[in-house]
Amino acid sequence: DAGITQSPRHKVTETGTPVTLRCHQTENHRYMYWYRQDPGHGLRLIHYSYGVKDTDKGEVSDGYSVSRSKTEDFLLTLESATSSQTSVYFCATSRGIGANEKLFFGSGTQLSVL
Amino acid sequence: SQQGEEDPQALSIQEGENATMNCSYKTSINNLQWYRQNSGRGLVHLILIRSNEREKHSGRLRVTLDTSKKSSSLLITASRAADTASYFCATVSNSGNTPLVFGKGTRLSVIA
Repeated sequence: DAGITQSPRHKVTETGTPVTLRCHQTENHRYMYWYRQDPGHGLRLIHYSYGVKDTDKGEVSDGYSVSRSKTEDFLLTLESATSSQTSVYFCATSRGIGANEKLFFGSGTQLSVL
Repeated sequence: SQQGEEDPQALSIQEGENATMNCSYKTSINNLQWYRQNSGRGLVHLILIRSNEREKHSGRLRVTLDTSKKSSSLLITASRAADTASYFCATVSNSGNTPLVFGKGTRLSVIA
């Protein structure tokens, strides 16, 4: 998966607890993304980053925060997990942004909030 | 909201047959991309077609784009069991520098 590592691969947590998912890339790509994938909804963008400490919201950003302190790492935090955040989370990277740029995806994190 | 919508949602065919998936989108686009997702894995880029192209080939893949109808199709010829996957179209909702928006995907099952 093009040098993109997500951790953990699986996580089970309880409602109300904080959760942090990590994405690490070795591609030196400027842009990094967090998507969530749910049945019937496809992939929806949560947040993305266009550089160190530069981030922006996506379509479904409520309840999520992100941080990027280094080019290679992009963290997704659920401040207080809810059952509606049970999903598969994918990190992706790209050299640039827009319709010309292809995305490279990690293998995903399956998160269950009980 | 989804910019692209794939059709059908699910498709089951016999090995050796051709598989056609369609994508309709809402607003004008520059380019359109197709991705494949094998079960339990991340998406993998397949092909990009530019707005000034009507057709593009890559191996057994053939992609068409009709900007007047705001639609694209992905044809996989002589399908194999290994083609079993979900297929997504993706584009941006405007001509600016914004992230890709994905459709909900078509689940293709190729039966050996």
